Amino acid sequence: DQQVKQNSPSLSVQEGRISILNCDYTNSMFDYFLWYKKYPAEGPTFLISISSIKDKNEDGRFTVFLNKSAKHLSLHIVPSQPGDSAVYFCAASAAGGYQKVTFGTGTKLQVIP
Amino acid sequence: KAGVTQTPRYLIKTRGQQVTLSCSPISGHRSVSWYQQTPGQGLQFLFEYFSETQRNKGNFPGRFSGRQFSNSRSEMNVSTLELGDSALYLCASSPEGGSVETQYFGPGTRLLVL
Repeated sequence: DQQVKQNSPSLSVQEGRISILNCDYTNSMFDYFLWYKKYPAEGPTFLISISSIKDKNEDGRFTVFLNKSAKHLSLHIVPSQPGDSAVYFCAASAAGGYQKVTFGTGTKLQVIP
Repeated sequence: KAGVTQTPRYLIKTRGQQVTLSCSPISGHRSVSWYQQTPGQGLQFLFEYFSETQRNKGNFPGRFSGRQFSNSRSEMNVSTLELGDSALYLCASSPEGGSVETQYFGPGTRLLVL
């Protein structure tokens, strides 16, 4: 049972345009959400997070939006740069299990120069 | 500061064998978590060790086990390997009192079971 779903395995975007990566979750107990970026031959690195008490969190070119009623979150990258090309994982955790993070299957983003 | 290191980076085993993977955390980090990454399932949490004690455990069979040493280095063991165990195994370390954001992942060990 995949509790965190990333339905788009890949996404291609032109440099300078907006990249929107989507994620859906099914577990209502999740209250903290994260995005990680992974380059080939490297481990995932933390990118940005959002608590369920918020609906938006911004960090430079990266913004995460959370729609609790729809159990949906998205990561916006504006403007997209070639160095953003990587696999992006959405993840979620529930209170009391801070290390038991549930990850999605990932979306491979390609930013075309 | 050196990052999380994992050895070996690649491994080929046959069904029925057992395997041991090693993870050295960032200096000063006492928490080590292990994840399995497969194409269809994403990253799945295996277990977490803190100060040589297993603190959290995911939903994996008993064939998957781990331990942590006094220097915080951790090993993961899989016994009686199955074809479905082929995956990238990632470990992550975090400092005491850290949060999920402060998990630093290693590059992983890619295991192929034939």
